[in-house]
Amino acid sequence: GNSVTQMEGPVTLSEEAFLTINCTYTATGYPSLFWYVQYPGEGLQLLLKATKADDKGSNKGFEATYRKETTSFHLEKGSVQVSDSAVYFCAPYVNYGGSQGNLIFGKGTKLSVKP
Amino acid sequence: EADIYQTPRYLVIGTGKKITLECSQTMGHDKMYWYQQDPGMELHLIHYSYGVNSTEKGDLSSESTVSRIRTEHFPLTLESARPSHTSQYLCASSDFGQVEAFFGQGTRLTVV
Repeated sequence: GNSVTQMEGPVTLSEEAFLTINCTYTATGYPSLFWYVQYPGEGLQLLLKATKADDKGSNKGFEATYRKETTSFHLEKGSVQVSDSAVYFCAPYVNYGGSQGNLIFGKGTKLSVKP
Repeated sequence: EADIYQTPRYLVIGTGKKITLECSQTMGHDKMYWYQQDPGMELHLIHYSYGVNSTEKGDLSSESTVSRIRTEHFPLTLESARPSHTSQYLCASSDFGQVEAFFGQGTRLTVV
């Protein structure tokens, strides 16, 4: 079946440290891939996306590359800030045919950045 | 900026009460979703709709029900709330031809 495996948290980093959050997925076909972020007390916001193999999504200093051969979409940031503290969700969009499909969310990785 | 709204943001209610969580979007999206988020942050799809008069159950079984009488409105109802329903409920919408979903701010429900 379709599934997502995300690096377990919590992840605690010092400001300006390098961040990697691993994500691998199992899905039929070639799903579009997303990273969503949830700040404390808020809903989810789209952080970045990639729609085909080797695409790199980027936003706010975060990047992730669609790796079809390893079915991975790891999130990276070169220098994290305290304001990046949040929960991050990896989510492939699984197409069931026609216009039907759903996002499949990973369990989320909580990131805490200390000053 | 996404235009999807959930009310109330927070709700504390007694066991056995009937409640309705409201979700509205002004983007004209056909698809709408309800997710339940547990304390460990994992999201579970409990209901979705592909348009007016379309509703489907999601991956996680839920005692809640939904309706979709208007495109912009997708309320979730619990006929008799129980402490096990305590959770965060997130509503989302997306358009046909797009896969990106937009989320509301969530409703944190506590049943005492």
